[in-house]
Amino acid sequence: GAGVSQSPSNKVTEKGKDVELRCDPISGHTALYWYRQSLGQGLEFLIYFQGNSAPDKSGLPSDRFSAERTGGSVSTLTIQRTQQEDSAVYLCASSLVRGGTDTQYFGPGTRLTVL
Amino acid sequence: ILNVEQSPQSLHVQEGDSTNFTCSFPSSNFYALHWYRWETAKSPEALFVMTLNGDEKKKGRISATLNTKEGYSYLYIKGSQPEDSATYLCAFKRNSGYALNFGKGTSLLVTP
Repeated sequence: GAGVSQSPSNKVTEKGKDVELRCDPISGHTALYWYRQSLGQGLEFLIYFQGNSAPDKSGLPSDRFSAERTGGSVSTLTIQRTQQEDSAVYLCASSLVRGGTDTQYFGPGTRLTVL
Repeated sequence: ILNVEQSPQSLHVQEGDSTNFTCSFPSSNFYALHWYRWETAKSPEALFVMTLNGDEKKKGRISATLNTKEGYSYLYIKGSQPEDSATYLCAFKRNSGYALNFGKGTSLLVTP
């Protein structure tokens, strides 16, 4: 079946512009996660959705970052007034249910470059 | 150990060599340990999820062990092949919260 998809695969933007990153999880997966990997760093947790609710937003680095999920499916991560330090690969993952032993299935990521 | 640490950072082996790398994680509040393989331009692929001290998992030529009391996991690759070239990530799940806490990964290059 179809895996997790993300769009765009690459995004180059100018400092100060807003960007939207999209994630389509595996159908039926109720849990959805956003991570990012900055240069030289490990994957960093951003936000977790269970259904349309986000019980854990603790990883969002600033109030310029927001995310929503609609219909228990597609999620959008929005970064307002982008800064150069926002440059990273943004990864989305989904799992069947929320649980520490549930495999998280990752998308291919969106590489964001802020000039 | 406060965070997940992986060693070595990178590794270069010849085809046919066996290799192993280490993941160290906090031994308190442990819930699960995940291993992923991430090939360039692809999605990270789940290899193993381990929860019990002494767990051993195997998938083809790749195997992993878990020691939750001392806070480490080993990943072994037997008879490395060029297609094994990838970054291997481990991720620690605490018994609270929702996030996986990832290490920076071990980058493996296998040359013919």
